[in-house]
Amino acid sequence: DAKTTQPPSMDCAEGRAANLPCNHSTISGNEYVYWYRQIHSQGPQYIIHGLKNNETNEMASLIITEDRKSSTLILPHATLRDTAVYYCIVRVNQAGTALIFGKGTTLSVSS
Amino acid sequence: GAVVSQHPSWVICKSGTSVKIECRSLDFQATTMFWYRQFPKQSLMLMATSNEGSKATYEQGVEKDKFLINHASLTLSTLTVTSAHPEDSSFYICSAAGPFSYEQYFGPGTRLTVT
Repeated sequence: DAKTTQPPSMDCAEGRAANLPCNHSTISGNEYVYWYRQIHSQGPQYIIHGLKNNETNEMASLIITEDRKSSTLILPHATLRDTAVYYCIVRVNQAGTALIFGKGTTLSVSS
Repeated sequence: GAVVSQHPSWVICKSGTSVKIECRSLDFQATTMFWYRQFPKQSLMLMATSNEGSKATYEQGVEKDKFLINHASLTLSTLTVTSAHPEDSSFYICSAAGPFSYEQYFGPGTRLTVT
């Protein structure tokens, strides 16, 4: 069974913030929330991850609710190059543990 | 970040032949490598996990005699699709992790077409 639930698709205007939601209501206390994206016909690209605190890096911000049952990935100023499939994944931080991908959200950024 | 390469980036082979795909970690030692398969308009599906110097662990439903995985060094893993058939046509992606790293670094993928 999928550990995360994401909307299948979202649209965003170029220059606006893209807010991608993810539900992970069965997340365990030692599981992290990871976000990857896959641009068409390329390998997945790491975006950000977090445990319970909000995180920010040069690509995006990750907001995790206090109960950790959901999170939101924020791309502050979406560009056309951000058009991709975004995957929200929960997993323990243990060496040798694979990332298991769900269906993800297809984000389409248009001008 | 760490770089993972795959070779070839695309390959076309005839039904019944075998094809080998290489996955290399260019600037770090990868104790664990993962192989995924992705069909059109679908998500990545984990095929197997391999640790350097030991046999790969295959996911349920993946034929280990058809998809041969070798991880003979800390920088190279290979996936050989034996007796390929058109239904094996897919996008094959590898990823690699270091011994103390929780991060997985993905290769660019290999597009296999079996005619």
